Amino acid sequence: AQKVTQAQTEISVVEKEDVTLDCVYETRDTTYYLFWYKQPPSGELVFLIRRNSFDEQNEISGRYSWNFQKSTSSFNFTITASQVVDSAVYFCALSEDPNQAGTALIFGKGTTLSVSS
Amino acid sequence: GAVVSQHPSWVICKSGTSVKIECRSLDFQATTMFWYRQFPKQSLMLMATSNEGSKATYEQGVEKDKFLINHASLTLSTLTVTSAHPEDSSFYICSARISAGGPGEQFFGPGTRLTVL
Repeated sequence: AQKVTQAQTEISVVEKEDVTLDCVYETRDTTYYLFWYKQPPSGELVFLIRRNSFDEQNEISGRYSWNFQKSTSSFNFTITASQVVDSAVYFCALSEDPNQAGTALIFGKGTTLSVSS
Repeated sequence: GAVVSQHPSWVICKSGTSVKIECRSLDFQATTMFWYRQFPKQSLMLMATSNEGSKATYEQGVEKDKFLINHASLTLSTLTVTSAHPEDSSFYICSARISAGGPGEQFFGPGTRLTVL
């Protein structure tokens, strides 16, 4: 069965600290997509990244970076030099069989990140 | 980029009334739309998958007679919460999947916050 686990419920850091949000997934499919979303207090989901199962290259986008390791079924997200504006709930999600029309996203429980000044 | 709108963004209603939430894909056609529900401090849970021109598929535990879904066109899906009760108070989020081929990218609406008094 498919599952996404975000073991960290809440993380608190001070501005400029680096922080890594963990995500472990389970799936029997060989083709799948992994996502990270940010949900600020307004509630609207902000798309951060999508990675397919065949692309294990790490990615960096500004202060954000992602480490995808199929061997450990993990897709971790690191924020470098955190800022107060990074405070939000972050969700990791999995989409199996993406070429099927009825495939929804399976979300982890989310990690609440609080960055203090 | 692809935009999904939801209307209303928030609604307060009395117990026993029905509430309709609209989800529109503004600049693309969506064969499939998904409805998620998010209770406070919890993750997004898929309620149902809506395919244009056919009956919605509901997840286990979601009452199809209570949460009526209509996907009458390629750009509009509606969720009607019938005889709403306080326990239906939640954040309802829709997503729309682009109909064209490929990995089936999904785009999320901004959400509708329902409060039932």
